[in-house]
Amino acid sequence: EIVLTQSPGTLSLSPGERATLSCRASQSITSNYLAWYQQKPGQAPRLLIYGGSSRATGIPDRFSGSGSGTDFTLTISRLEPEDFAVYYCQQYGSSPLTFGGGTKVEIK
Amino acid sequence: QVQLVESGGGLVKPGGSLRLSCTASGFTFSDYYMSWIRQAPGKGLEWFSYISSSGSSTNYADFVKGRFTVSRDNAKNSLYLQMNSLRAEDTAVYYCVRGGNGDYGGRYWGQGTLVTVSS
Repeated sequence: EIVLTQSPGTLSLSPGERATLSCRASQSITSNYLAWYQQKPGQAPRLLIYGGSSRATGIPDRFSGSGSGTDFTLTISRLEPEDFAVYYCQQYGSSPLTFGGGTKVEIK
Repeated sequence: QVQLVESGGGLVKPGGSLRLSCTASGFTFSDYYMSWIRQAPGKGLEWFSYISSSGSSTNYADFVKGRFTVSRDNAKNSLYLQMNSLRAEDTAVYYCVRGGNGDYGGRYWGQGTLVTVSS
């Protein structure tokens, strides 16, 4: 099983600042099958990035994904008020599919 | 637009059974892999089952293997989850999730249905 470790657990930032979230895998992820999701309280997760770096439909270009192998990063270039949420990474290249524990981006 | 609507959640006693349904619209259901993912109250996301586009291939996480069964009816644009021998630790919001073209990445999610296992 591929274990995904997200860091930091909580990120305290102000609107307009840059957010950098990390997702590290215990072994290489097949075909860069790494996704990032955003979840707000009481809502279902929303796909932001798939394939490590491809933005999902309708996702603003301030969200970008990068990385390969075992190290991946989600960057939010300038935080908007609606971006404060929990972010999860997921690998979907090997069974069992696994999620990281999440990073909460909160308003400083 | 893509819509996934889960139903069938509720309160069930330990050892009981429940069947969840997910009705899909806005895309060609038979073209896509589907998954079930759950989230216990206040916890993170947990994948536990997927099914291929034709329904010929399924996979389960160890903690539900032998208790849960995923199936689909492409003619009815529907995904199902039969849950037996339910335990308190199965209490969660259950999400129906559509994959991509040939992969299980969660492109679209339903709103979720809450399953509570309690006596």
